[in-house]
Amino acid sequence: NAGVMQNPRHLVRRRGQEARLRCSPMKGHSHVYWYRQLPEEGLKFMVYLQKENIIDESGMPKERFSAEFPKEGPSILRIQQVVRGDSAAYFCASSLGVSEETQYFGPGTRLLVL
Amino acid sequence: EDQVTQSPEALRLQEGESSSLNCSYTVSGLRGLFWYRQDPGKGPEFLFTLYSAGEEKEKERLKATLTKKESFLHITAPKPEDSATYLCAVKEGSSYKLIFGSGTRLLVRP
Repeated sequence: NAGVMQNPRHLVRRRGQEARLRCSPMKGHSHVYWYRQLPEEGLKFMVYLQKENIIDESGMPKERFSAEFPKEGPSILRIQQVVRGDSAAYFCASSLGVSEETQYFGPGTRLLVL
Repeated sequence: EDQVTQSPEALRLQEGESSSLNCSYTVSGLRGLFWYRQDPGKGPEFLFTLYSAGEEKEKERLKATLTKKESFLHITAPKPEDSATYLCAVKEGSSYKLIFGSGTRLLVRP
């Protein structure tokens, strides 16, 4: 009965490199959400995806950030040309479906940009 | 404009000393209010969902209540293992995203 899985748990990148964060939802869940937690700040919504579709990306920065949830495999949050301000904890959550409101969170990926 | 405000920011209790955490919200068309617990270095762990004013839910030493403007998380006779950050979040209207407060850091001393 695995929960939401994220990898890597910790990621170090130098400025200008790319970061790829992966999320596998709970078994049977087809809705995935990404949130970011900056140091000393609360969790902020970034994007909501269903299989092969981006439903709401209103919280995602317009440049350098992208997300996908392919038919097969995990959801990916991709950050191109990282900057120091991207250093944060990135959490993925999943829910069962539209009528199931509760989102269950993974352990997060801590990204450090040097 | 803050939509979800949690108070206090931090709370220190002696083991066995009951207290309450507050979450006030200013959203229209509340679709749900959620409480999570977050330990250092970990992801938020789901505790409760409340949907309508007057609703209450309990789990071990925790009890969550909801009014039209706020929610309370009551902790009865806390233990040191209850030490964590407690997060409140709301979902409004037709949106699927959770709007989080900044949390209450609870420390329970033995």
